[in-house]
Order: sequence, then structure tokens, then C-alpha cells
Amino acid sequence: NAGVTQTPKFQVLKTGQSMTLQCAQDMNHNSMYWYRQDPGMGLRLIYYSASEGTTDKGEVPNGYNVSRLNKREFSLRLESAAPSQTSVYFCASSYRNVWETQYFGPGTRLLVL
Amino acid sequence: GQQVMQIPQYQHVQEGEDFTTYCNSSTTLSNIQWYKQRPGGHPVFLIQLVKSGEVKKQKRLTFQFGEAKKNSSLHITATQTTDVGTYFCAGPGGGYNKLIFGAGTRLAVHP
Repeated sequence: NAGVTQTPKFQVLKTGQSMTLQCAQDMNHNSMYWYRQDPGMGLRLIYYSASEGTTDKGEVPNGYNVSRLNKREFSLRLESAAPSQTSVYFCASSYRNVWETQYFGPGTRLLVL
Repeated sequence: GQQVMQIPQYQHVQEGEDFTTYCNSSTTLSNIQWYKQRPGGHPVFLIQLVKSGEVKKQKRLTFQFGEAKKNSSLHITATQTTDVGTYFCAGPGGGYNKLIFGAGTRLAVHP
């Protein structure tokens, strides 16, 4: 049981470049989430997916797109990276909803120059 | 919108001292969760409180949920160096499937 896995672990981008952050879980969870973590600001929800085929915006969705490829995988795409998107990105999953434990991946550290 | 606030932002203690972090929500919460994040790591679930006035213990950690279900606290007795990290509280808000996190309290423990 790997839990929640994320790739890549680290990435450096130039302003305007695009990239996709990958996330997968092997716990048969229905809900998946993308957060960003900035110093002193805790975790802020970017997008979430309550089930396969559905996605919804969180607190800070601007500049991001997501795809729930199947039950296991939930990807986050930056179409045109900006320095303000420098952050640590965490993917998480839970069985059904936010009443239940969220399991986090190891994170992706992204630097946009 | 709903806000979840935590105090203090940072605290350092001598090993063996007690530590408390407080969490306050601008709205009533159906439940509150606590997570711990070690330096360089990812958040790990500690506990969930659901009932008004609920108190739960995990070894040296004591969690409380306020009577009005708008505040919560985490108390660590006799801190150890293994307690180092950032402690976050989080509550459902802004929609059925959204969790609002506090900014966290970073704990440093000096041996």
C-alpha cells in the first residue's frame, strides 16, 4: 500500500512554462484534493474531486486546471506558470468527504523563476 | 467567508514543558480535525472531534472541542523533541467537500 503518491518531488520552471503535477492513490478513495502550502498561510484548497468525473473549485483555483483521470488519479496543471505559484503542492484523498481523515501525499516543491 | 484561526503562530519550549495551541472558527463547526506536519514532511491526521465539549487523549496529547463548537485546543504535556513540527486544525466549510485549515502553530522543542 503506497497510499498517496505524487510526482515530481521537485520542479523548477520559468515564467510562462507549463507543467502537470501527478497524484495517485491506491486506497480506493472517492474524494481527492489539491492544496498549496505557503509560509504562514497553512493549506489552501485549489481544486477537489468528490468522485470520478467531477471536479470543483476550491479557495484558490485561478491559474490551475485539474483532471480526475480515473478513481485513482487526479492531476493538477499549470498552463502558464507565474512566480506567485511558487509553493509546495500537496495532493490528498479521503474515502468520501471532509468528515473523514485526509491522507496526504509527500508533496511537490515548485519554484517558478 | 469562513475563517479558521490558530494561535500562537510559533512557540518554542524547553523539553519537558507543556504546550498548547488554540483554534478558533468564525462559524460553528460540524467537526474539527487536527494534523501534524514534521519539518519537510506532509500533514498527518491526528484526531477528529465531533461532539460539543468533547475531550480526547492520545498519550501526552489532549484535544478539546468547545461547547459552542467554534473553538478547539491541543495540549501536549511534557514535550519531547519528537513533538517538533507544525500543528494544524481544520474544519469543514465553504461547501460539502471543503476543509478549511488554520495557518498552523509551529512548535520547536529545545533539549
